Formats: sequence, C-alpha cells, structure tokens
Amino acid sequence: GAGVSQSPSNKVTEKGKDVELRCDPISGHTALYWYRQRLGQGLEFLIYFQGNSAPDKSGLPSDRFSAERTGESVSTLTIQRTQQEDSAVYLCASSLVTGTSGAQYFGPGTRLLVL
Amino acid sequence: DQQVKQNSPSLSVQEGRISILNCDYTNSMFDYFLWYKKYPAEGPTFLISISSIKDKNEDGRFTVFLNKSAKHLSLHIVPSQPGDSAVYFCAASRTGSQGNLIFGKGTKLSVKP
Repeated sequence: GAGVSQSPSNKVTEKGKDVELRCDPISGHTALYWYRQRLGQGLEFLIYFQGNSAPDKSGLPSDRFSAERTGESVSTLTIQRTQQEDSAVYLCASSLVTGTSGAQYFGPGTRLLVL
Repeated sequence: DQQVKQNSPSLSVQEGRISILNCDYTNSMFDYFLWYKKYPAEGPTFLISISSIKDKNEDGRFTVFLNKSAKHLSLHIVPSQPGDSAVYFCAASRTGSQGNLIFGKGTKLSVKP
C-alpha cells in the first residue's frame, strides 16, 4: 500500500524566494502533521491538521510559514521570503486519528536548502 | 529547554548482542512514548510505543521499558543485527495535546558484524 509521499524530494532556492512543499498522506488518515529537522537536531513540530482544519498554528516559526490542506488529503506547506535558517528537512506525517492513540507515519521528507 | 533528551549521540554494538538506547524526559504530563528508526534520506519509521499505564511493551526483538518515577525510558534490541544500524529517535506526547510528538535528538546505532 502507498505510504506518505512528499514532493519535491530536494529543493534548492535563493534567499527571498517562496517555496511550496507538498504532502500526500496515507489514504483515510484524518490527521496530518508537519515537522522540521535541522541539521543535528531532533524533529520540531510545526502544525497539524484534523481534516482540513488546523486548530493551532502556534508551532509555525514565523508568519512567513503557512499551510493548508484540502479534501482531507493533500497538504501544502508554503514558506515565503525564504531565509537561510529555513534550510532543513521538512517531514510530513499522517495518522488514522489525532491524539495519542495513533502512531504517526512519516514521508521521506523534502530537503530544503536556501542559498 | 529540551523536554525529551537522548544523551548518547551514538552507540556501537556487536552483532548478536543487546542494544540499549536510553531516553529521558522532563514533562510529567507526557503519557505516550514512541520510538522511531530513521535511515539516511528516509523519513522516520515507527517501531514501538508504550502508554504510561504500562512499564513494558514487547514486539519481537524490540522491547521498550518505561520508568515513570525516573522519567526514563529505554529501547532494548536483542539480538542486534547489522540492519538495525540507523538513528533512533525517542518521542513523547500527552493526552489533550494535538498528538504532536516531541522528539529527542536521536542516537545513531551501529551494529558491527
């Protein structure tokens, strides 16, 4: 069966440009999560969706970051006016349910490099 | 301030022996803990989890132990195999949260043939 997929797998951009990262969760998973992993660090939670709603956006690092989800499926994470400190691996995960009862299944990530 | 800590960045073990990966946490509200394995250029893969109502959970070669009073958990892999070589992340969450996981920085396990 298909797992979580993300695109692009790698993205190199210039400082100040906007980027869009895409996540396709496992079919039927209602919860979707975005994380970021900087070099040598653990995963840092950014935002989660229950269906198409994101109840809490406080994990997003700045107002340059936004995310949406449509059709209770695909999600897009947008970073506007990218900065060098945005360079990281951006990971998407999905789970059948939200909360602590569902293990999260991760995609392979998008490696973003901001020059 | 890190709420989930993996104090050993790396661990090397001989094939066939036991690997013990440790994790400490500071938030007593955490009530669900997970271990993930990550190979290079891949996303983390769920391994095993444990609820705070238990002190042990076993799945094949993998066993997770939870000591709530010490705010400590460990993952035991026995017998270790070369294919187990990867980075292992400990993660925690709490009821009432969004289910978002708080991760440690990971421990790189190398299993030598």
